[in-house]
Parts: sequence; structure tokens; C-alpha cells
Amino acid sequence: DAKTTQPPSMDCAEGRAANLPCNHSTISGNEYVYWYRQIHSQGPQYIIHGLKNNETNEMASLIITEDRKSSTLILPHATLRDTAVYYCIVRVANRDDKIIFGKGTRLHILP
Amino acid sequence: GAVVSQHPSRVICKSGTSVKIECRSLDFQATTMFWYRQFPKQSLMLMATSNEGSKATYEQGVEKDKFLINHASLTLSTLTVTSAHPEDSSFYICSADGTGYTFGSGTRLTVV
Repeated sequence: DAKTTQPPSMDCAEGRAANLPCNHSTISGNEYVYWYRQIHSQGPQYIIHGLKNNETNEMASLIITEDRKSSTLILPHATLRDTAVYYCIVRVANRDDKIIFGKGTRLHILP
Repeated sequence: GAVVSQHPSRVICKSGTSVKIECRSLDFQATTMFWYRQFPKQSLMLMATSNEGSKATYEQGVEKDKFLINHASLTLSTLTVTSAHPEDSSFYICSADGTGYTFGSGTRLTVV
């Protein structure tokens, strides 16, 4: 079973920041938090990952709470192209470790 | 970055025939690849782990004789849906762990 809990759907106005929460209360010390998104009829796309420090890249920022039991993905200026299903996943960083997907959050960007 | 190529992107086949889907890692070697299936409005479901040079590991409830997986080289894994039926119609996605966990673009299988 997936180790994360996410709201099933969210709306965000175009141009505003989209904040997507994820709960992972059973995360282990060696597990990272990964975020992927899936645009309709495409394969999932990697967004960002982190262990305990906040991370930022050209796509998004990842805020992880100090106890690591939850995190928030932030899309700073959402566009219509950010409409997708966003998946929060916890896994160890070793290669060959399988990923189990939860149900994700369906993000709708409103014009 | 790491690229995973999946082919074909869509295929329509007749009921009872077999269909092969290819998954290639283009710029890295992958001893392990993963195959997922996704039905409309549902999440990705892991079907099996493909291991180079050895047998695939199937998730519970996935018929290994129905979904044949071959991982004969470090850059290629294939999934063959044997004796396909309409209920096998789905979106099939492969992935491999290069510099990060990379997914193919998926194959839309329609069995008529």
C-alpha cells in the first residue's frame, strides 16, 4: 500500500501559488519524499525530491516539516499546463526500489 | 537527463492476439525496470519488476503467463500481453531508475 495521504483534488487560480499537501506519518529515516505529476495520457514526470531539508528547482519547491511526517509541494506561479495529477511518494534512494503510487491529487488550474 | 523510451505509443489489436510493448533506457543501463498498468481515472498499479538476466517478479494478482516480461539486455525490457481480451485494454507504462526514477510515455492498448 501507498505510504502517503493526499487530498483527492484541488483548485488553484492561474498565476497563483499552488500548495499541495502530503502526509507521510510513517516515513522511515532513510526514505525520501518524491513528487511526480502525470498529465493526461502521459507517463509520470519527476518534479522534485528531498530528505529533510527544503528543496527548490526550476519547477517547484518542496517544504518538509521538521518531524518529516508531512510535506508541501509548491508551484509558485501555476499555469494551465500545470493541470495534472500530482503524486507524493516516499521511498529509499537506492536504485531498483519499486515505487507504489497512491491516488494522488488532481490539480485543476482555473483561468 | 535519463530518458526512457516506450513503443508503441498506442496499439489496437484483435481479441485473442498477443501484443508486445518495448521499454528502452536510452542513455543509461537499467538492471531493473518496472511495468505499471493504469485504468481510466485510476492511479498507476505496479504489475511487475523486470530484472535483467533473470525472471521478473510479479505483484500479487498479476498473471505471469498472461503478461510475459523479458529483460534480455541492460537497456531493453519487453512486456507481451498474450491472448489479449477487451479487459486488458489499458494504459501500460514502464519505468527505470537512471539518475532519477524515469517513466516512459506509456502505451495505450485497445483490444477489440
